[in-house]
Amino acid sequence: DAGVIQSPRHEVTEMGQEVTLRCKPISGHNSLFWYRQTMMRGLELLIYFNNNVPIDDSGMPEDRFSAKMPNASFSTLKIQPSEPRDSAVYFCASSLGGGADTQYFGPGTRLTVL
Amino acid sequence: AQKITQTQPGMFVQEKEAVTLDCTYDTSDPSYGLFWYKQPSSGEMIFLIYQGSYDQQNATEGRYSLNFQKARKSANLVISASQLGDSAMYFCAMREPTRGDDKIIFGKGTRLHILP
Repeated sequence: DAGVIQSPRHEVTEMGQEVTLRCKPISGHNSLFWYRQTMMRGLELLIYFNNNVPIDDSGMPEDRFSAKMPNASFSTLKIQPSEPRDSAVYFCASSLGGGADTQYFGPGTRLTVL
Repeated sequence: AQKITQTQPGMFVQEKEAVTLDCTYDTSDPSYGLFWYKQPSSGEMIFLIYQGSYDQQNATEGRYSLNFQKARKSANLVISASQLGDSAMYFCAMREPTRGDDKIIFGKGTRLHILP
């Protein structure tokens, strides 16, 4: 079975550019999570969806960040405009939801903003 | 206050020895779940083991076991017969179902180094 799929795996962009990260959760999973990991701040939850609906976006750092989940098999995290301090590894994870706890992570996208 | 505390930022252990990674948690919920994840240098987050608060037995998965001491709010990960490939960052995490959501809270991690 395919795990969580993220693309791209690496992204290098210049400050001010728009960045779009993509995620395909495990088939049948109802909850999807976006995390950011940096050395300074560790692993931070940005936003999570349940049944394609955003449930908690309190971790989204500012208006430059937005996330969508148009259907059960696809989600995007967009940064516009990007800044050097957005450089991090961004993980997508999914779980069955509704009390079934274990989150399974994708391989991550390493974002570098110059 | 931190919900998940991992007091060991780093550990060095000789290959083939057993390893215990500490984790304490803070919750007033009677029902909760505890997790351990491994993050090797390649970066992926790998789920290792899960313990439910009502589980009677300590969880085990191969060489991994969770030493669950509910009264002490402790959920230490034990790795038996450590291998060089166990060198990684290890995260303890907790879910509180009565929050009404699926979020889990991660600790800051322990970096484990296995020495040949």
